[in-house]
Amino acid sequence: DTGVSQDPRHKITKRGQNVTFRCDPISEHNRLYWYRQTLGQGPEFLTYFQNEAQLEKSRLLSDRFSAERPKGSFSTLEIQRTEQGDSAMYLCASSYILADYQETQYFGPGTRLLVL
Amino acid sequence: GNSVTQMEGPVTLSEEAFLTINCTYTATGYPSLFWYVQYPGEGLQLLLKATKADDKGSNKGFEATYRKETTSFHLEKGSVQVSDSAVYFCALSGNGGAQKLVFGQGTRLTINP
Repeated sequence: DTGVSQDPRHKITKRGQNVTFRCDPISEHNRLYWYRQTLGQGPEFLTYFQNEAQLEKSRLLSDRFSAERPKGSFSTLEIQRTEQGDSAMYLCASSYILADYQETQYFGPGTRLLVL
Repeated sequence: GNSVTQMEGPVTLSEEAFLTINCTYTATGYPSLFWYVQYPGEGLQLLLKATKADDKGSNKGFEATYRKETTSFHLEKGSVQVSDSAVYFCALSGNGGAQKLVFGQGTRLTINP
């Protein structure tokens, strides 16, 4: 079990550019979550997938953000027309859930985004 | 909505001291409760969890008991080590459906030798 991986680990971009992050969950995990963590704060939920279906999006996820999980395995998070306020650590987590049993989420190392 | 309030940091202790980091929550229903730890330069790691009232989660010498009557999940360790220096996050999730985590703001712990 290789754990959750994220790529890239760091990204510096200029305001107005588009960026895309990738998350590879633990194999056979059917749920995948994206969170955002700003300096000195706890992570905040952005969105999640069950298999390939995006089931919930936070109000934090503006129209400039889009996430996909096309084959129910890896996921991408794209930010269009980046703004300085998008600078944060973007965390991915995955879990396996059966019916309504309680799940445990396992986090990746995160992608740190800096928008200049 | 659901929320978590953690003891503000930073917390600085000497090695072998007793540690308590307070965590209280507000939630509807019967949430599950978690402590995650973030070591410098690394991602969040699950430290321990409890899924129902009076459950005690434990790992690596850390313990926390789910107290429904006081809506608390305080983290304790009897004798801390330098290697415990990290940021600790208390979190909750609902049961069933979307189990998104709601985190506290984190408590930075530094242990001096």
